[in-house]
Amino acid sequence: AQSVAQPEDQVNVAEGNPLTVKCTYSVSGNPYLFWYVQYPNRGLQFLLKYITGDNLVKGSYGFEAEFNKSQTSFHLKKPSALVSDSALYFCAVRDFTGNNRKLIWGLGTSLAVNP
Amino acid sequence: GAVVSQHPSRVICKSGTSVKIECRSLDFQATTMFWYRQFPKQSLMLMATSNEGSKATYEQGVEKDKFLINHASLTLSTLTVTSAHPEDSSFYICSGEGEGDTDTQYFGPGTRLTVL
Repeated sequence: AQSVAQPEDQVNVAEGNPLTVKCTYSVSGNPYLFWYVQYPNRGLQFLLKYITGDNLVKGSYGFEAEFNKSQTSFHLKKPSALVSDSALYFCAVRDFTGNNRKLIWGLGTSLAVNP
Repeated sequence: GAVVSQHPSRVICKSGTSVKIECRSLDFQATTMFWYRQFPKQSLMLMATSNEGSKATYEQGVEKDKFLINHASLTLSTLTVTSAHPEDSSFYICSGEGEGDTDTQYFGPGTRLTVL
C-alpha cells in the first residue's frame, strides 16, 4: 500500500538555524512528491514538488527538499529558519492506483521557530 | 497564479439546515477539484474528487447524499452539506488541479463550518 510518514509531530528550531522536516514514503513505481505549508485557519500553500530530474528541488520561501530514492525520503529543508516559518507542514505523494488523481497525505509536522 | 477562492470563509448554521460552500479557481481552469475535511490539528481527509461535468467520486465512508458536490464548470465546484448536524462541524478545504499543471493541487483558504 502507498503511504507517507512524517515521523515528527513537532519540530522546534531557533531562528537563524537550519531546519529539517522529515518525510518518508512508500509507493510502487516512481513517486511524485509534494510539500505544502498551512498557516493557522488557512488552506494549504504549495511549496515544492519532485516529479523527475534533479534530486534537490528548490521551492517557495527559501525552502528546498532532497529526494533520496535509496532511503525513500523527501525531507524539507531551509538553511536559516524564520519565526514566520512557524506553521504546519504536510508531505504528500501522488496515488496512481486506478484512475484517481488524489494525494496521500502525511499527518503533518508542526514547526515552531523560536526567536 | 493558481489562486483558489472559497466562500464563505466561515458559516454558522442551525442543525437540520443545508449549507453550500463555493470553490472557484480564479486564474486557471480546474479540470479536477477535490474536497477535503480537516479536524483540529489533524491531517487532511479527502472527501471526494470531482471532474467538470461528471459525477463526483466519493471516498469510502463519505455519504454522497449528505455531501452533495457539483462541478458545473471548469472554475466552480460547490459542496452542499445537507441537513447539517453538529458532528459535521469542521474545516472544509477545496483544491483544484488545472490542465497546465496536472500534478499540483492548489488550495482554497478553507471554510469553517459550525453547526449549532
